[in-house]
Amino acid sequence: GAVVSQHPSRVICKSGTSVKIECRSLDFQATTMFWYRQFPKQSLMLMATSNEGSKATYEQGVEKDKFLINHASLTLSTLTVTSAHPEDSSFYICSASTLGNQPQHFGDGTRLSIL
Amino acid sequence: AQKITQTQPGMFVQEKEAVTLDCTYDTSDQSYGLFWYKQPSSGEMIFLIYQGSYDEQNATEGRYSLNFQKARKSANLVISASQLGDSAMYFCAMNPPGGYNKLIFGAGTRLAVHP
Repeated sequence: GAVVSQHPSRVICKSGTSVKIECRSLDFQATTMFWYRQFPKQSLMLMATSNEGSKATYEQGVEKDKFLINHASLTLSTLTVTSAHPEDSSFYICSASTLGNQPQHFGDGTRLSIL
Repeated sequence: AQKITQTQPGMFVQEKEAVTLDCTYDTSDQSYGLFWYKQPSSGEMIFLIYQGSYDEQNATEGRYSLNFQKARKSANLVISASQLGDSAMYFCAMNPPGGYNKLIFGAGTRLAVHP
């Protein structure tokens, strides 16, 4: 089946640091990648939709300058949390899909802890 | 706007028994997709089953089946012959039309399988 790799799986860093998370589709070309955020015991909240070669579409309330998304190729999207603060601590998870009503395939997620 | 409702925050079932996890949705669109994902404590999202709004038959995938009642706007997940490894969070999600396979998730149901 389709495999999506997300790296790193866990990050612990100091406040003010910028953190980059990578999402790769390993065996298929993903026209679209999605970035979600999940707080403990809550559901996934879509942050942004990333299309290869174009600017990401952010959901309402998500700061574009805070969460930088780059989708440079059909197999790689990156999320950079800039100048991270403790309130940015969360579980971030990406997914990738092709066109049509195909299921999204998720990475294993990144647990981000900002001290 | 589309919305997914999962009214059962937690469910438990005896091993080898069947369990139904409820999901209702709200949309004015005629074309949409419905998905169920499983999230173990490790965090990854595992795709279980998909139902298209125009599919006449209920979807089945191994021990998983989707009880799709379009008029009631419900898409309940039935897990037969529960196993201890089925203990996890289960999310119902909808993919409205309009491209990009954007997913809207419900709040989730935590399932505990007891031996």
